[in-house]
Amino acid sequence: GENVEQHPSTLSVQEGDSAVIKCTYSDSASNYFPWYKQELGKGPQLIIDIRSNVGEKKDQRIAVTLNKTAKHFSLHITETQPEDSAVYFCAASGAGNMLTFGGGTRLMVKP
Amino acid sequence: DTAVSQTPKYLVTQMGNDKSIKCEQNLGHDTMYWYKQDSKKFLKIMFSYNNKELIINETVPNRFSPKSPDKAHLNLHINSLELGDSAVYFCASSQDLSRAREKLFFGSGTQLSVL
Repeated sequence: GENVEQHPSTLSVQEGDSAVIKCTYSDSASNYFPWYKQELGKGPQLIIDIRSNVGEKKDQRIAVTLNKTAKHFSLHITETQPEDSAVYFCAASGAGNMLTFGGGTRLMVKP
Repeated sequence: DTAVSQTPKYLVTQMGNDKSIKCEQNLGHDTMYWYKQDSKKFLKIMFSYNNKELIINETVPNRFSPKSPDKAHLNLHINSLELGDSAVYFCASSQDLSRAREKLFFGSGTQLSVL
């Protein structure tokens, strides 16, 4: 089955700085890579996703990159704000497969 | 107007008791799930139902019994609660079992504490 590793487990940045979270996956058949944000006391919420036919996708301050050859993908948040503080999860899935989540990254943005 | 709602939000109970968590989605989705999140935040799928039919049971003890009376509801009943059952349980839904299953909509979670 799929195995998704996520790093770092915690990340502390100053407001305005950039944050990068990295994930690797094991199943070369995986072709869908979403990112979820979980705020305190809430369920995870999809913030951005990327499919294997695309190398990069951007939505305002967040972007995802995918390297299929190396089987890794990353989340980039620019100009971080305190409200970006949350736990972020990467995930991967292939055709007919369920999502497998990474272990999560706790991002803290210091004002 | 919550898309996926689950109750209760907090559940504190003694070991050995039986408890239920309820989940409802108003998105018109065909597929619903239960996930368990442990204290280290790991998210692990427990069950998946499609149109009231069990699709996935991820080696969960048979003390856990999901029930789907209709495709908008997926309840979780837990018998003989153990200390290790303490976790946050999330209900989620997705449009169907096709590619759209990948986009999950989560409820706000039920924090279960077994004493």
